[in-house]
Amino acid sequence: GNSVTQMEGPVTLSEEAFLTINCTYTATGYPSLFWYVQYPGEGLQLLLKATKADDKGSNKGFEATYRKETTSFHLEKGSVQVSDSAVYFCALTFIYGATNKLIFGTGTLLAVQP
Amino acid sequence: DSGVTQTPKHLITATGQRVTLRCSPRSGDLSVYWYQQSLDQGLQFLIQYYNGEERAKGNILERFSAQQFPDLHSELNLSSLELGDSALYFCASSVAGLAATDTQYFGPGTRLTVL
Repeated sequence: GNSVTQMEGPVTLSEEAFLTINCTYTATGYPSLFWYVQYPGEGLQLLLKATKADDKGSNKGFEATYRKETTSFHLEKGSVQVSDSAVYFCALTFIYGATNKLIFGTGTLLAVQP
Repeated sequence: DSGVTQTPKHLITATGQRVTLRCSPRSGDLSVYWYQQSLDQGLQFLIQYYNGEERAKGNILERFSAQQFPDLHSELNLSSLELGDSALYFCASSVAGLAATDTQYFGPGTRLTVL
């Protein structure tokens, strides 16, 4: 079936460290891929998205490239800040009959220490 | 602020009771989605409405129902509540919900606690 697999957390980094959160997917057809972020006590916010192979989504210093050959959409940031501490969700969607529901990974908790 | 509003923010109730969660989509969005976030199941799609009509159902229990009104706001009704229904319930909206490229914008969620 269609699914998203994320690396297990928590990921603990020092401020200014490089971040990678791995995400791979299984899907029939051509999904769109998303990263959402959930800050403590808040809802989900769209971080970035890519809708076709080789697209790069970027926002707030975060980047992810849609790699069809490796079915991956890894999230990266060159220098993390304490304020980036949150849970990050990788997700995919495509049309399943009449819906474009999101399928989420399990989420990866990122903790950035000063 | 995504523009999607949900009320109430928190809800505490007892087993066997019935509650209603409300969602107002972003201005201009026609599709509304409901998702449940729990520790054991993660984020799961429940149901989608488009312009007042049910479009798709996911892992939604028969004790749960939803509707979308002419002004496009939506309500999720949960009845005969059980302890296991305790979760964070999110509403999301998108412009049309007819394409994989449509972005879904999420509300802040309603945290339901069943005692």
